[in-house]
Amino acid sequence: DTAVSQTPKYLVTQMGNDKSIKCEQNLGHDTMYWYKQDSKKFLKIMFSYNNKELIINETVPNRFSPKSPDKAHLNLHINSLELGDSAVYFCASSQIWDSHYTFGSGTRLTVV
Amino acid sequence: GQQVMQIPQYQHVQEGEDFTTYCNSSTTLSNIQWYKQRPGGHPVFLIQLVKSGEVKKQKRLTFQFGEAKKNSSLHITATQTTDVGTYFCAGARGSQGNLIFGKGTKLSVKP
Repeated sequence: DTAVSQTPKYLVTQMGNDKSIKCEQNLGHDTMYWYKQDSKKFLKIMFSYNNKELIINETVPNRFSPKSPDKAHLNLHINSLELGDSAVYFCASSQIWDSHYTFGSGTRLTVV
Repeated sequence: GQQVMQIPQYQHVQEGEDFTTYCNSSTTLSNIQWYKQRPGGHPVFLIQLVKSGEVKKQKRLTFQFGEAKKNSSLHITATQTTDVGTYFCAGARGSQGNLIFGKGTKLSVKP
């Protein structure tokens, strides 16, 4: 069984559309994250979620909104997609803040 | 804000040569972690170092954590083509929040 699963794996969409990426973890971890990886491979934290506490990175446009229906899921909704949103988005989870992360396989988003 | 600097950004080596990547944090860390991302893949956890001056080995890989718990290194002996990928260090800050990732070192190995 996949520990952290993301869907879809690939997403090609037009500018201005709204899309969602889903993430589920079956590790029983308390903390989940969304990372954006650009073409230079830099991993940038977007959101952290620990139980009921959502921590938002202030540099993330408010077009991005995370939603966590329960501890095992942290989905990412993006409104009004822009060309600059094209990247690979990784979901990850960890038991606590400073324990090791398990990453999902990533969602490659292409905005055309 | 807190940063983790990682160098070099790229390293090209001939198969059989050694490789080292370095990380330096602006503040003391509770632990440091290393991840490997193969081309087209996702970051995969390699190891965690917690103690000051700690050294750990995994086959040809040697990881070190500095005495001040601010810097770390990953050394690969006699690189192989299977070592190709991007290596990230990530500094942990205890209860203060998520890991801070370095920008990664992309390793290419020429056979």
